Amino acid sequence: QVQLVQSGAEVRKPGASVKVSCKTFGYTFSNYYLHWVRQAPGQGLEWMGIINPRSGSTTYAQKFQGRVTMTRDTSTSTVYMELTNLRSEDTAVYHCARGGRVAATENALDVWGQGTVVTVSS
Amino acid sequence: SYELAQPPSVSVSPGQTASITCSGDKLGDKYAFWYQQKTGQSPVLVIYEDNKRPSGIPERFSGSNSGNTATLTISGTQAMDEADYYCQTWDSSTVIFGGGTKLTVL
Repeated sequence: QVQLVQSGAEVRKPGASVKVSCKTFGYTFSNYYLHWVRQAPGQGLEWMGIINPRSGSTTYAQKFQGRVTMTRDTSTSTVYMELTNLRSEDTAVYHCARGGRVAATENALDVWGQGTVVTVSS
Repeated sequence: SYELAQPPSVSVSPGQTASITCSGDKLGDKYAFWYQQKTGQSPVLVIYEDNKRPSGIPERFSGSNSGNTATLTISGTQAMDEADYYCQTWDSSTVIFGGGTKLTVL
């Protein structure tokens, strides 16, 4: 059974950084892209970027370029999303989601993690 | 940048058909995907590649995509279908989400 299990809730002060993990189960890690999507309270879904677990290459949404870094650890089938210089507007639920097969882009996000609440407050 | 527009809300009576639209420039030339999100839960994929249903998604969910508009149709809507629905597509190797539509089953 395909599952994405994320790390627990985080609280940070403005200006700090946060790193969220997403551990994958039930499929070959290197074969599928992984996305990060966030959702601010009462708002819609916002795509942050994608990582190729095989090569480690990334594409980030323009809004987050310079502040976000996505990495992976193939030994533990885990991807990470680090967001720096946090501000109150970054308070949101952060989701990882599995994408399409590597080298077959523009597919759906077919399995989602449970979400990680990140609160930014002084 | 590419944008997808959805109505903020749609209401439907139980047993009736609900239609949720998603508009974007030449959207019919791209694939449309639809997600259902119930309160407090993660999104669930209900339609991929315009009109395909993942396993486990009821047959009452269907999709179409032509011209500038993709449509999610729920036939025989049930109370359990009350949720937020998001359309999604790809543009220039980036994922684009619509703003979401709250479906109310009254």
